[in-house]
Amino acid sequence: NAGVMQNPRHLVRRRGQEARLRCSPMKGHSHVYWYRQLPEEGLKFMVYLQKENIIDESGMPKERFSAEFPKEGPSILRIQQVVRGDSAAYFCASSREPGQGTGELFFGEGSRLTVL
Amino acid sequence: DQQVKQNSPSLSVQEGRISILNCDYTNSMFDYFLWYKKYPAEGPTFLISISSIKDKNEDGRFTVFLNKSAKHLSLHIVPSQPGDSAVYFCAVIRDSGAGSYQLTFGKGTKLSVIP
Repeated sequence: NAGVMQNPRHLVRRRGQEARLRCSPMKGHSHVYWYRQLPEEGLKFMVYLQKENIIDESGMPKERFSAEFPKEGPSILRIQQVVRGDSAAYFCASSREPGQGTGELFFGEGSRLTVL
Repeated sequence: DQQVKQNSPSLSVQEGRISILNCDYTNSMFDYFLWYKKYPAEGPTFLISISSIKDKNEDGRFTVFLNKSAKHLSLHIVPSQPGDSAVYFCAVIRDSGAGSYQLTFGKGTKLSVIP
């Protein structure tokens, strides 16, 4: 089952450390999206990437957060100098076309970041 | 500023009965409406969707109704099964087509189907 693969599933960091979350899209999918779910909230869009390009980062915090999708390898969401408020579930999704035209995205199982 | 509201955090229904999950939205410009289902420790999975030009879409046991004048969306599951127990998220898209990756989600409703 070559679904969207995310790792690590769980990550614990102390304040000030860096967190790196990885996402491999489904086979045949070249569009990757990152969403964040804070506790007791719905998922919120962060960024949309294609290979080597950031298409839409309108949902990304202005500081400490960055994302990339290199020509080879998985997409990476990087959070520098983490703070407790970054504790959340980070979901990656992929699609063959942008949102398939209907909003149907294929989500991974998520990476749960805990900042101590 | 919550654009998508799911006012019931949880819902319990007896197996075999109908489950009705509700969602209200604020912006009449939303173009497409979706329901996602999420089991614990898994990612959301797409369930069913409806375009703003329709008022009903049916897929097996799942039917989504759209009331544009009331800005209200509902998901009906009938008959409900224990395997339907999950968190259901309502989501909307402002711009379908090229912009249809940017979903706005509600906070979710946890459905428990009691055997």
